[in-house]
Amino acid sequence: NAGVTQTPKFQVLKTGQSMTLQCAQDMNHNSMYWYRQDPGMGLRLIYYSASEGTTDKGEVPNGYNVSRLNKREFSLRLESAAPSQTSVYFCASSETRTRISGANVLTFGAGSRLTVL
Amino acid sequence: GESVGLHLPTLSVQEGDNSIINCAYSNSASDYFIWYKQESGKGPQFIIDIRSNMDKRQGQRVTVLLNKTVKHLSLQIAATQPGDSAVYFCALGGTSYGKLTFGQGTILTVHP
Repeated sequence: NAGVTQTPKFQVLKTGQSMTLQCAQDMNHNSMYWYRQDPGMGLRLIYYSASEGTTDKGEVPNGYNVSRLNKREFSLRLESAAPSQTSVYFCASSETRTRISGANVLTFGAGSRLTVL
Repeated sequence: GESVGLHLPTLSVQEGDNSIINCAYSNSASDYFIWYKQESGKGPQFIIDIRSNMDKRQGQRVTVLLNKTVKHLSLQIAATQPGDSAVYFCALGGTSYGKLTFGQGTILTVHP
């Protein structure tokens, strides 16, 4: 059971270049998310998809686009990369709610480290 | 808006000691609170959650305490082990579906 798989794990871009981060989950989850993680900032939500066919902005969506390709896959695209987008990106998915709080239990991928020069 | 902060960015303990990781929050409308553990090179992993109408919840070697009066959350780890070394995040969930607000994280280092 792979869980959430992200590719690539590492990427170096020049300012202005474009790229797409890929994410796939094999848990049949309806909801998927993209977060970025920066030192001292915790994880911040970029975009999420509550279900196949829908996407919504999170806290920091500027400079990014997403595509929910199907139920399994949720990609994040940087059209014109900027140094401020240097970060570690995490994809997550969720379906299970806990018995105690009813909270979404997010399952995260291993992360994609992006450096923009 | 929501914000979450941590009192201590780093915590070093000896193996066998108890660890306490703290988290302060500002949004009193949060429905639930979650602790995540992130090991080096991996994504965050769910540890334990607590609903806003609870004060305490215990899991295996972990206890979460919630003080809504002072908007404070803590994670207690009993008999800390080297495998507990990681970054610990608190996260708040509210009415917005699936959207969690994460704290900055605390680095826990356990020395053998």
